[in-house]
Amino acid sequence: GESVGLHLPTLSVQEGDNSIINCAYSNSASDYFIWYKQESGKGPQFIIDIRSNMDKRQGQRVTVLLNKTVKHLSLQIAATQPGDSAVYFCAEHKNYGQNFVFGPGTRLSVLP
Amino acid sequence: DSGVTQTPKHLITATGQRVTLRCSPRSGDLSVYWYQQSLDQGLQFLIQYYNGEERAKGNILERFSAQQFPDLHSELNLSSLELGDSALYFCASSVWDRGDSPLHFGNGTRLTVT
Repeated sequence: GESVGLHLPTLSVQEGDNSIINCAYSNSASDYFIWYKQESGKGPQFIIDIRSNMDKRQGQRVTVLLNKTVKHLSLQIAATQPGDSAVYFCAEHKNYGQNFVFGPGTRLSVLP
Repeated sequence: DSGVTQTPKHLITATGQRVTLRCSPRSGDLSVYWYQQSLDQGLQFLIQYYNGEERAKGNILERFSAQQFPDLHSELNLSSLELGDSALYFCASSVWDRGDSPLHFGNGTRLTVT
């Protein structure tokens, strides 16, 4: 399928290493954050979410960290696998009733 | 599989034409969102509906309109199409409209305007 964001920042990691994908969000009043994974030809797929009253949340092989002081969100993927190769987006929810705003995305490339 | 269904998967049409994109949300989800994704602009929010009512509007062009029907499916209508409207159009659904539950996306409709 057509590639998304041909000029996206790219993170290349060796298979088996840990990956850290970063996202700066814009609004200090944002109260809910989500990480999505988008593979070629598919829609964004929910990975993990975190609310603003937390600073860390863990899932299966993934951890999201939230630093509200500097408005920074990160996604850590443990033991990165070839199937993790995709574009990763962070999304923030700004206010009640408002929409989710997506970051520009980061392309993760897993090297054999 | 997210449970969100979008049809058609691909659409090729000419400038000036009008098309309708269809979305069926996940079972139980009341809120539907439409996003546009182009190569150089990422995911851009167009419009949101909750239980049949418009809830929020993004940078949606006047040539574009949408609605959500009583059975909760939604349609996005794009008219007077221009070359720049070529993009992926995604529908997403969530349980509520409060923005405290994740959006679940369909696999999109790829629109090509020639």
